[in-house]
Order: sequence, then C-alpha cells, then structure tokens
Amino acid sequence: DAGVIQSPRHEVTEMGQEVTLRCKPISGHNSLFWYRQTMMRGLELLIYFNNNVPIDDSGMPEDRFSAKMPNASFSTLKIQPSEPRDSAVYFCASSPTGADNEKLFFGSGTQLSVL
Amino acid sequence: AQSVSQHNHHVILSEAASLELGCNYSYGGTVNLFWYVQYPGQHLQLLLKYFSGDPLVKGIKGFEAEFIKSKFSFNLRKPSVQWSDTAEYFCAVRGTGRRALTFGSGTRLQVQP
Repeated sequence: DAGVIQSPRHEVTEMGQEVTLRCKPISGHNSLFWYRQTMMRGLELLIYFNNNVPIDDSGMPEDRFSAKMPNASFSTLKIQPSEPRDSAVYFCASSPTGADNEKLFFGSGTQLSVL
Repeated sequence: AQSVSQHNHHVILSEAASLELGCNYSYGGTVNLFWYVQYPGQHLQLLLKYFSGDPLVKGIKGFEAEFIKSKFSFNLRKPSVQWSDTAEYFCAVRGTGRRALTFGSGTRLQVQP
C-alpha cells in the first residue's frame, strides 16, 4: 500500500485565494483525520471523519475552513479565503477499525504558505 | 476534554547522553498514550504506545516510556542518544472510546556529534 497520500506537497498562494488540500487515506481505513502543525501551537486536530461522516469538527478554526469526505477514498480541506496566519503544515492521517485502530498513519503533509 | 503538556520545547544533547522527555496528560478516564517522532523533512511516525499492562513500554530504536498513572505522566527515555535521533517528538493521548488523538506541542531534540 502506498500509505496516506496528500497533495500538493507544497502550496504557495496569495492572501484571499482559495486553497484546497487533498488526501487519499489507506484503503480499508475507516477513520480520517486532518491535523495542522505550526511552531506556535504544535499539532492540532482540525476535524475527523468516521465512515465518511464528520464526527468532531470542533478544532476547525473558523468558517473559512471546511472539510469534506465524499467517499471512503478521498477527502478535501478547503480554506476560503486564505490568510497569512493559515500558513502551516497540514497533515492527513487515517486509521483502521479493529485491533489496529490505535495506529494512526500520517501522510507527508502539505506545506501551505499564504503570502 | 483531553490535553497533553510537553514541558521541554527544545533539548540539546551530546551523543551518548541520556534522554528523558516529559509528558503529562489530562483526562478523566482511561487513556491510550503514544509517542510519535518527526525526523527533519519527514512525516510523523509512531515510536511506541501504551494501552494496558506493563507500564514500561519499549519502542523502536531503543526508546522506552513509562506510564505513571498517579502522576498522569508518560515520559520518553533513551539511555544513549545518537546524532540520528535529532527530530521532533510528540506525545499524544486518546481517551478510550475516542478516535482522535490529542498531541502535545512537541519537543525538538538536537543531538550534537
């Protein structure tokens, strides 16, 4: 398996533009998580899905952020409009059900820079 | 709510020195505890985890951690660090019955040759 795949690896955009981050979880995993990593706040959970349904979005900073999971193999995190303070590394992670559900498999992250 | 505190933000050690990184958590029930490592330019990888049983758990690359329930702590240790251990280390907690992990702010370890 190729692991959790995120795209793009790097994104540089101007303030006010829409940004869409993409994630393909590991096949068969039924939970998907979006985390954001910054120097100031470390690693923060933004939202997670279970069986494509958002379970906890309390970490989403504000209405400019939205996440969708239209099917079991794809999720997006959208920021509209983007602001410089959104600059961070955004990680997607997935985990399976059953005995291995303690394992969280992370993607390589998307480095977002908003100018 | 669950939370995690990592007290050391930046640690600098010489090779062969011993390492202990502090982690304290807050949660009103049974927890699962994790340490993740992020090497420069790479994504997070699981170092070790504690679910139940022996409170001293051993992970990869010679790391170990001890769960002390009375202190709500899960400190990471390694007797002798190597230059290749230079990375950022994250402690994480998950309350049983929950799916998401809550991470600490991370500790940046720099090992000097």
